[in-house]
Amino acid sequence: QQQVKQSPQSLIVQKGGISIINCAYENTAFDYFPWYQQFPGKGPALLIAIRPDVSEKKEGRFTISFNKSAKQFSLHIMDSQPGDSATYFCAARSTGNEKLTFGTGTRLTIIP
Amino acid sequence: DAGVIQSPRHEVTEMGQEVTLRCKPISGHDYLFWYRQTMMRGLELLIYFNNNVPIDDSGMPEDRFSAKMPNASFSTLKIQPSEPRDSAVYFCASSEQGRHEQYFGPGTRLTVT
Repeated sequence: QQQVKQSPQSLIVQKGGISIINCAYENTAFDYFPWYQQFPGKGPALLIAIRPDVSEKKEGRFTISFNKSAKQFSLHIMDSQPGDSATYFCAARSTGNEKLTFGTGTRLTIIP
Repeated sequence: DAGVIQSPRHEVTEMGQEVTLRCKPISGHDYLFWYRQTMMRGLELLIYFNNNVPIDDSGMPEDRFSAKMPNASFSTLKIQPSEPRDSAVYFCASSEQGRHEQYFGPGTRLTVT
């Protein structure tokens, strides 16, 4: 019940295209859903996060879409750029707990 | 602020040796997390502390692993004895009370031969 399932495992998108990464969860106590971005040789860094009281959050080219009834959330990267090539992790946190449960990661490659 | 600091950045050791990984969290942060990252298992939380007190160590793989936080600015993760299957990148992260963003350090790449 603590799992967060992430897909796809890897993704190749052409420059300027839209990258979409999906996550699903089971635990209805999750109340905070961040996305982390990790470049090779670096630690993950928070990219964008959402709470379940909104269905969408946008920050620049990055958007989280959240479907509470389906227990799914996704990251959309608009106008994808080569600099977006990285591994992306979704995560979830339950109420009253600082512990993050991470998805398995998606390696995104943006090609010219 | 310099961010979360980890040392060493790389560690190569032989099976059976003791390994100590070190972490300095961001000043003022109340939470400290230790993670392990491998290709097979992804990013796993090992243990986390709140105000230097261990809160959840359910992710610690076995008794060979131990973690301490003697003060607000320092934590260690010790593996004794080390085994080849402990080879991974170990990350330390910290966060501030009431703010859920975790700030990760650069990691320690551990290789046990």
